[in-house]
Amino acid sequence: NAGVMQNPRHLVRRRGQEARLRCSPMKGHSHVYWYRQLPEEGLKFMVYLQKENIIDESGMPKERFSAEFPKEGPSILRIQQVVRGDSAAYFCASSPTQGSWEKLFFGSGTQLSVL
Amino acid sequence: AQSVTQLDSQVPVFEEAPVELRCNYSSSVSVYLFWYVQYPNQGLQLLLKYLSGSTLVESINGFEAEFNKSQTSFHLRKPSVHISDTAEYFCAVSEGSGGSNYKLTFGKGTLLTVNP
Repeated sequence: NAGVMQNPRHLVRRRGQEARLRCSPMKGHSHVYWYRQLPEEGLKFMVYLQKENIIDESGMPKERFSAEFPKEGPSILRIQQVVRGDSAAYFCASSPTQGSWEKLFFGSGTQLSVL
Repeated sequence: AQSVTQLDSQVPVFEEAPVELRCNYSSSVSVYLFWYVQYPNQGLQLLLKYLSGSTLVESINGFEAEFNKSQTSFHLRKPSVHISDTAEYFCAVSEGSGGSNYKLTFGKGTLLTVNP
């Protein structure tokens, strides 16, 4: 049973381009969470999704950021018109149910660098 | 709102020495507390957690942490560290039984470096 898979591992974009980050949850997990880690900061919650539904997006910037978790395929975090301040590590986690702490697993993250 | 403070960004120690990584939190509601570990190029892994019951919790690799409600602390300790314990350690908090019991608030992390 593979863990939470995130790709790409590293992503380089120029200002104004779009960034798409992918997260494949563990098999049997239908709950996905995205976190962002800015340099010298702790991880900060961005969004919580359950298949085809956004449950909580209170941590998402109001503009340029969106997330989806379709019925089929990975969860996608999309950042439009990236700026240098978007440079960060983006982590995805998954769980089989809400609040199942022993079964919450994180991916290795995507390091986004904006030039 | 909740917050987590990890007082030390880096902790260098020698192998077989004891170590304590400090964590303090603030919250207006009851909380669950966690320590996660991140080895190089890997995702975060749950090291140990406090949900209820005994305030002293232990991991399988010799770490322990004690929930101190009066001091709002959850410090991580190990009596004798190994080279393989070198990693970044994150303290995190979540609402205990509230509607947002899926959301973690993390500290900035402490890099533990164990030297031979």
